[in-house]
Amino acid sequence: GIQVEQSPPDLILQEGANSTLRCNFSDSVNNLQWFHQNPWGQLINLFYIPSGTKQNGRLSATTVATERYSLLYISSSQTTDSGVYFCAVRVDGGSQGNLIFGKGTKLSVKP
Amino acid sequence: NAGVMQNPRHLVRRRGQEARLRCSPMKGHSHVYWYRQLPEEGLKFMVYLQKENIIDESGMPKERFSAEFPKEGPSILRIQQVVRGDSAAYFCASSSPFEGNYGYTFGSGTRLTVV
Repeated sequence: GIQVEQSPPDLILQEGANSTLRCNFSDSVNNLQWFHQNPWGQLINLFYIPSGTKQNGRLSATTVATERYSLLYISSSQTTDSGVYFCAVRVDGGSQGNLIFGKGTKLSVKP
Repeated sequence: NAGVMQNPRHLVRRRGQEARLRCSPMKGHSHVYWYRQLPEEGLKFMVYLQKENIIDESGMPKERFSAEFPKEGPSILRIQQVVRGDSAAYFCASSSPFEGNYGYTFGSGTRLTVV
């Protein structure tokens, strides 16, 4: 089956710093999403980005489907950005519901 | 719009008991998805349901686990004769027929502890 690898597994930042999180996937996908799981466990849908670039405030994401990777950029990080960031993909031909998640990048932003 | 509601938030069961987890999708959403998250792991797909139909159950364990989404009422994930390995967070997501994955909204999860 498809492999979804995220890096780095852990990241510690000082408030105000920028960071880039990476997601590599091993097969063609027709859907890629980024989620943020906050320290209380709530999952927030950040981006639906099977290709191209999107921006939402201090966050932006880029997916290069032909090279099988996606990047999530966090600029001017804040303590509220702490949590785990997951990348999830759906393979070509996969059912609508079957998202394959990576193991996540755990981000800690220090004041 | 109350979002996706899951209850209970926390559930403790003794080995051998049954666990019932409930998920009420967002208003207007008729697609429900269940995922399981083990500690320090990503989410693993379990089952995808539409009203009165199981669409994809490829991630469901073959025994003890079942799911339903009746015409009326919430979706239920049922785990019979729970074992310690069932301890995990169980998340439900919903979407509308038109949005699919684009409109995925997750609930806050049910944390199941088997003692």
